[in-house]
Amino acid sequence: GEDVEQSLFLSVREGDSSVINCTYTDSSSTYLYWYKQEPGAGLQLLTYIFSNMDMKQDQRLTVLLNKKDKHLSLRIADTQTGDSAIYFCAERADSWGKLQFGAGTQVVVTP
Amino acid sequence: GAGVSQSPSNKVTEKGKDVELRCDPISGHTALYWYRQSLGQGLEFLIYFQGNSAPDKSGLPSDRFSAERTGGSVSTLTIQRTQQEDSAVYLCASSEDIGKNIQYFGAGTRLSVL
Repeated sequence: GEDVEQSLFLSVREGDSSVINCTYTDSSSTYLYWYKQEPGAGLQLLTYIFSNMDMKQDQRLTVLLNKKDKHLSLRIADTQTGDSAIYFCAERADSWGKLQFGAGTQVVVTP
Repeated sequence: GAGVSQSPSNKVTEKGKDVELRCDPISGHTALYWYRQSLGQGLEFLIYFQGNSAPDKSGLPSDRFSAERTGGSVSTLTIQRTQQEDSAVYLCASSEDIGKNIQYFGAGTRLSVL
């Protein structure tokens, strides 16, 4: 199975906050990432967090990291229709920088 | 170029044919990664290059898959004797700094094997 696990689907109303959750298994992971993929496009890096941090905020995005539980979350404030996409959580899997991705969470924003 | 460029964007081939997929990384990026994204799946790591050498080929699914990188820049992923299960989107990423390892992705090549 996946080393990185995410829920597959999230529906949210425009203007509400979205929270996407992720669990990972490698406690030695140094960096964890959130990527966004829109239809027909490659992956766009949204944000990343270093493992010695608990939280990182970047405009509408807030990343929370619980190392004890190996749990990562991405909160999107004031969700807009343009936020509809697939969101991938990833952990740095080795010293070469290989990323281990989750299966992605499909976020659908409804008016 | 400004971003990672992949070509072709779409490739339809017949089972048994060979295909070549190309990746042009961001200028100056020494690390290059190939991933495969099958329908409804996450990304599966295939191979990593640092410069022209490939320290990690562990993700290549079979000996029909090979990749090379020349001049520390362009990389080619070759799939020989394609099978229907090879149908997927092949994504390339490059990174300047292996420390933070911020990987920038191309738009991918969608391969369809009939």
